[in-house]
Amino acid sequence: EIVLTQSPGTLSLSPGERATLSCRASQSISSSSLVWYQQKPGQAPRLLIYGASSRATGIPDRFSGSGSGTDFTLTISRLEPEDFAVYYCQHYDNSLMYTFGQGTKLEIK
Amino acid sequence: EVQLVESGGGLVQPGGSLRLSCAASGFTFSTYSMNWVRQAPGKGLEWISYISGRSSSIYYTDSVKGRFTISRDNAKSSLFLQMNSLRAEDTAVYYCARDSPSYSYYYMDVWGKGIAVTVSS
Repeated sequence: EIVLTQSPGTLSLSPGERATLSCRASQSISSSSLVWYQQKPGQAPRLLIYGASSRATGIPDRFSGSGSGTDFTLTISRLEPEDFAVYYCQHYDNSLMYTFGQGTKLEIK
Repeated sequence: EVQLVESGGGLVQPGGSLRLSCAASGFTFSTYSMNWVRQAPGKGLEWISYISGRSSSIYYTDSVKGRFTISRDNAKSSLFLQMNSLRAEDTAVYYCARDSPSYSYYYMDVWGKGIAVTVSS
């Protein structure tokens, strides 16, 4: 079973700063199966990035994804006030379907 | 507008049953696989079940196998989750989510707002 570990658990930054969120898989995975979601309090998750690096429809270009193998990164180039939320990575495999990381909370410093 | 709306949640006693529904609109429901995902209070996301467009493929996470049943009615653009033998640890917000239309990438691109299920005596 592949486990996704996100770090840090909480990231405290100010608007305008750059955010770098990590998602590490317990074994090598296909980039096509790595996804990032954003979730704000009381709301459903929102698809941000799929295939490790492709932005979903309507997602601003300040959001970018990268990585391969076991290490993946979500970068927010310049934080806007609306970007403070919890971010989850997710992986798909044929046997277990979808698994999520435990999430990174991005909070205002 | 593409939309998913869950209903059927509420308070149920341990050992009880509940049936969740998800009404889809704004897209051709039958051509999409669908998922149920849940989130316990203050916790992360947990995928629990998947059903293909024609119901030919169905999967569950281990913790709900034998207790939950996913189904769909394409004529009514509806997704269901029958939950039996409910436990306190099933307490969560339950989301229905549309599966990716691509065979090359795997993600959930449209989510409902969620419905709360509380299992308590």
